[in-house]
Amino acid sequence: ETGVTQSPTHLIKTRGQQVTLRCSSQSGHNTVSWYQQALGQGPQFIFQYYREEENGRGNFPPRFSGLQFPNYSSELNVNALELDDSALYLCASSLVSDYGYTFGSGTRLTVV
Amino acid sequence: QQQVKQSPQSLIVQKGGISIINCAYENTAFDYFPWYQQFPGKGPALLIAIRPDVSEKKEGRFTISFNKSAKQFSLHIMDSQPGDSATYFCAASGESGYSTLTFGKGTMLLVSP
Repeated sequence: ETGVTQSPTHLIKTRGQQVTLRCSSQSGHNTVSWYQQALGQGPQFIFQYYREEENGRGNFPPRFSGLQFPNYSSELNVNALELDDSALYLCASSLVSDYGYTFGSGTRLTVV
Repeated sequence: QQQVKQSPQSLIVQKGGISIINCAYENTAFDYFPWYQQFPGKGPALLIAIRPDVSEKKEGRFTISFNKSAKQFSLHIMDSQPGDSATYFCAASGESGYSTLTFGKGTMLLVSP
């Protein structure tokens, strides 16, 4: 059984640029969620995908967007990066019929 | 609006002692209350979880106590060890995998040798 893998592990971008983060869900999981974790804070829900459609969204602007692919892998895209977007971005997968979420190790994004 | 409030922000416990972290929630629709452990550079890992139909759940040295009427739950770590030093997050969600997790702000636990 594989876990959740995220790439890249670290990334440095310049304000105004665009970034794409990638996630491979745990085998058998059909739901993927993305969370933003600022330094010293708890993870904040960005959005969730199920069957390749956005299934819920937190309080994040439209420049945060995502995709889920038929193999349940996922992407998080952020346009027009701002300094406050610097954070650890976590991907979590689950089964829609279950409570349990499995988190990846995250991508540390630094915007300069 | 913070729907899950966690305290304390940080905690220092001697090896062998009991670590206690508390959380309170507001949304009565929450139906699942997990605790996550996070080490530096890693994602949160599920430690233990409880549903509101029971008042206590124990797994090894870790116990969740749940008070539905007070809308509070707590994590007790018995015989705390230096390897338990990490950040702990309480969370809450609604029913099933459609629901998303709402996290507390975390407690940084340091267990001194």
